[in-house]
Amino acid sequence: QKEVEQDPGPLSVPEGAIVSLNCTYSNSAFQYFMWYRQYSRKGPELLMYTYSSGNKEDGRFTAQVDKSSKYISLFIRDSQPSDSATYLCAMNQAGTALIFGKGTTLSVSS
Amino acid sequence: EPEVTQTPSHQVTQMGQEVILRCVPISNHLYFYWYRQILGQKVEFLVSFYNNEISEKSEIFDDQFSVERPDGSNFTLKIRSTKLEDSAMYFCASSAPGQGARGNEQFFGPGTRLTVL
Repeated sequence: QKEVEQDPGPLSVPEGAIVSLNCTYSNSAFQYFMWYRQYSRKGPELLMYTYSSGNKEDGRFTAQVDKSSKYISLFIRDSQPSDSATYLCAMNQAGTALIFGKGTTLSVSS
Repeated sequence: EPEVTQTPSHQVTQMGQEVILRCVPISNHLYFYWYRQILGQKVEFLVSFYNNEISEKSEIFDDQFSVERPDGSNFTLKIRSTKLEDSAMYFCASSAPGQGARGNEQFFGPGTRLTVL
């Protein structure tokens, strides 16, 4: 079983839609959960950072972690064409290597 | 806003040649990392570095790879004898010291695209 699984998409939505991106994982020791945004041939940009279970909101973005189900989500409200990118989930234990999902490619059309 | 920088943006080399990829981490960060991403695949961890020594490395990081912090600002990845399969984007990342969650955030540079011919 792969450590972090993420549906690669592609996911296409109209402008203004609510987007839901998800990852599952197998290692119950993971404590820190991140979402990165990556534009084509660029470096990952840290979007959201969550410790343990719970929700975190930042503007149009909400990150959710359910450690009991080993499932994390990123919601994007009122999606914009500029949100079109690949979204990577990543997770780790404190101070250790990040383990990434494969990324979900999102396209928001105007 | 402070950011991680990397040079060169693109490096083309012949198989068997040595390459050095350079990174300038964010200035007050003390933990440094190298990751790579082969086209169409996941971002993969290579090595982490703290207090002038390797703190963790993956199976990918074999004897062909080495890292160094030659001065107070640069962090380098050397590949001694490049192979075709080393072609990838190489990302440097850094994180700050600190307790709990805040010290664990890793910030990535724009990457160096390495092409081995």
